Amino acid sequence: GQNIDQPTEMTATEGAIVQINCTYQTSGFNGLFWYQQHAGEAPTFLSYNVLDGLEEKGRFSSFLSRSKGYSYLLLKELQMKDSASYLCAVRFSGGSYIPTFGRGTSLIVHP
Amino acid sequence: DTEVTQTPKHLVMGMTNKKSLKCEQHMGHRAMYWYKQKAKKPPELMFVYSYEKLSINESVPSRFSPECPNSSLLNLHLHALQPEDSALYLCASSQDDKGSYEQYFGPGTRLTVT
Repeated sequence: GQNIDQPTEMTATEGAIVQINCTYQTSGFNGLFWYQQHAGEAPTFLSYNVLDGLEEKGRFSSFLSRSKGYSYLLLKELQMKDSASYLCAVRFSGGSYIPTFGRGTSLIVHP
Repeated sequence: DTEVTQTPKHLVMGMTNKKSLKCEQHMGHRAMYWYKQKAKKPPELMFVYSYEKLSINESVPSRFSPECPNSSLLNLHLHALQPEDSALYLCASSQDDKGSYEQYFGPGTRLTVT
């Protein structure tokens, strides 16, 4: 398998910063997506990383290290509405190229 | 229009019923997908259509039958389902099926099999 791993659950305080990690098997890596999914709703696209480094988009940033098989999603100035599941999805070559989803990290933001 | 629509939002069906889920997008995307998602689990890929042809079937039981009537529409026909098939069924689309473009997901159909 592609061994995509994320923590199951995280909690954080409103206004704080939280980092959600995702690790994956490096062999055949070809890109990584982050999606946000609120309970009972569809996943929505947050970011796509294929090269090493940090991509910043407002309060959300995503980092990738291809050699380490590691990515993180950084959420700043947390708001209550950021409580959601965050899904890491990895694209591998040698197969269909359709991204495979990790199990998701449930983030709970409390006041 | 960056929306994927799905109907119905909710569906309750018996194990002997036949029903269909519908999905539509008007973004000109050439790849469309069906996923199944159980509570607190990630979406599981079921089928992929690329340029209106079935390109991937992830060993899905034949009681699920996909159909792509045209480039904007995707259906999932359901027959003789089991209670364990109860889940959220998500449709998604992307520019192509090569995986380098993000997927746009519909709101899903919440299916309950009784």
